[in-house]
Amino acid sequence: SSELTQDPAVSVALGQTVRITCQGDSLRSYYASWYQQKPGQAPVFVIFDKNRRPSGIPDRFSGSSSGNTASLTITGAQAEDEADYYCHSRDSSDNHGVFGGGTKLTVL
Amino acid sequence: QVQLQESGPGLVKPSGTLSLTCAVSGGSISVSHWWTWVRQPPGKGLEWIGEIYHSGATNYSPSLKSRVAISVDQSKNQFSLRLNSVTAADTAVYYCARNYGDSEGDWLDPWGQGTLVIVSS
Repeated sequence: SSELTQDPAVSVALGQTVRITCQGDSLRSYYASWYQQKPGQAPVFVIFDKNRRPSGIPDRFSGSSSGNTASLTITGAQAEDEADYYCHSRDSSDNHGVFGGGTKLTVL
Repeated sequence: QVQLQESGPGLVKPSGTLSLTCAVSGGSISVSHWWTWVRQPPGKGLEWIGEIYHSGATNYSPSLKSRVAISVDQSKNQFSLRLNSVTAADTAVYYCARNYGDSEGDWLDPWGQGTLVIVSS
């Protein structure tokens, strides 16, 4: 299966740590990449694998992977981290990309 | 730094063909990357459409494969999307993006700003 499953919504208190997860069979073969999207804006690449981040993305964002589950962790969440987060991977059987359904992160 | 810009009609009639172009600036499209189209219906999540290599090789989403074609024009440093037999369900913001990848997986960066296409008579 090429589906990636994410929790629809997650909340975190300001300054606390939050983990956003993504599950799917393709994650056993490929690492996930993660994207942040704020209202009315294009998605922004946040991280791939554990720590391949573009310049400008704070190191409070980290990734991890185990079995069929990938995780994005925000350590010390800030108000500006409130956004939708999408995971992405590749389906090896058909060689096409796939996105998770997205997680809406609320920072309280 | 590489920038991408989508362009094309913002309104397409039902059963017609959606055509968009992604112009690449700040770098050559003829490098070792795949170039990708992604869409997002209003209020919904991201959907991967397909990708093309500068050689013309393509991969498509199984759910759209029968209706979609992606092409590349190296002389103009751009790539294009065509989606035929459109319906209201194809109304979405369409994004283009550069794909970085290796044997461990891939990621999309940067993205264009996106262009809204509405399917309506």
